[in-house]
Amino acid sequence: DAKTTQPPSMDCAEGRAANLPCNHSTISGNEYVYWYRQIHSQGPQYIIHGLKNNETNEMASLIITEDRKSSTLILPHATLRDTAVYYCIVDRFQGAQKLVFGQGTRLTINP
Amino acid sequence: NAGVTQTPKFQVLKTGQSMTLQCAQDMNHEYMSWYRQDPGMGLRLIHYSVGAGITDQGEVPNGYNVSRSTTEDFPLRLLSAAPSQTSVYFCASSPGDRDQETQYFGPGTRLLVL
Repeated sequence: DAKTTQPPSMDCAEGRAANLPCNHSTISGNEYVYWYRQIHSQGPQYIIHGLKNNETNEMASLIITEDRKSSTLILPHATLRDTAVYYCIVDRFQGAQKLVFGQGTRLTINP
Repeated sequence: NAGVTQTPKFQVLKTGQSMTLQCAQDMNHEYMSWYRQDPGMGLRLIHYSVGAGITDQGEVPNGYNVSRSTTEDFPLRLLSAAPSQTSVYFCASSPGDRDQETQYFGPGTRLLVL
């Protein structure tokens, strides 16, 4: 499975867009990009995933570069409740039961 | 739906003791998994199951056993607890459907082994 590289920490002002980068230069053609987040000590929460095209849902947008070697998770209007560790995971479809979590990006939303 | 539930929330064990961490889901999901998370680290997969009666090892299976007799339940057994197993344990489930590609996590069980 391809590995991912994320910055260890980021800050963002409340109300602004938070843009979280992820590099996955060894991604294979059949591997998806998943994003999860973990708020404090809770269980991780699914945010969004994509294969090639950009994706948007009620939580966030996922922008995947044309060569698929990197992606960006966008939280359009960050709130204090978005403070969490964000994990970018690359994996082929296998029922999503074998995700490999790295150390993620600790995003802090400042008032 | 209650989603994914885990019991107990907290547990303290002595070295050598055994115990079972319970996990249940009421979403009729085929896939279930157990992860552990050590302080400041990401989650690591212990065991997983693709359906009742089918289990397989993940990244860190040593010292743990699992079984899946029903779709709803996926207990994790610590055979002889060691201090290195002090961690937070998360159970997760997913539909296993390409169109519903998401994993749902329980609230976790915090285990301290003395």
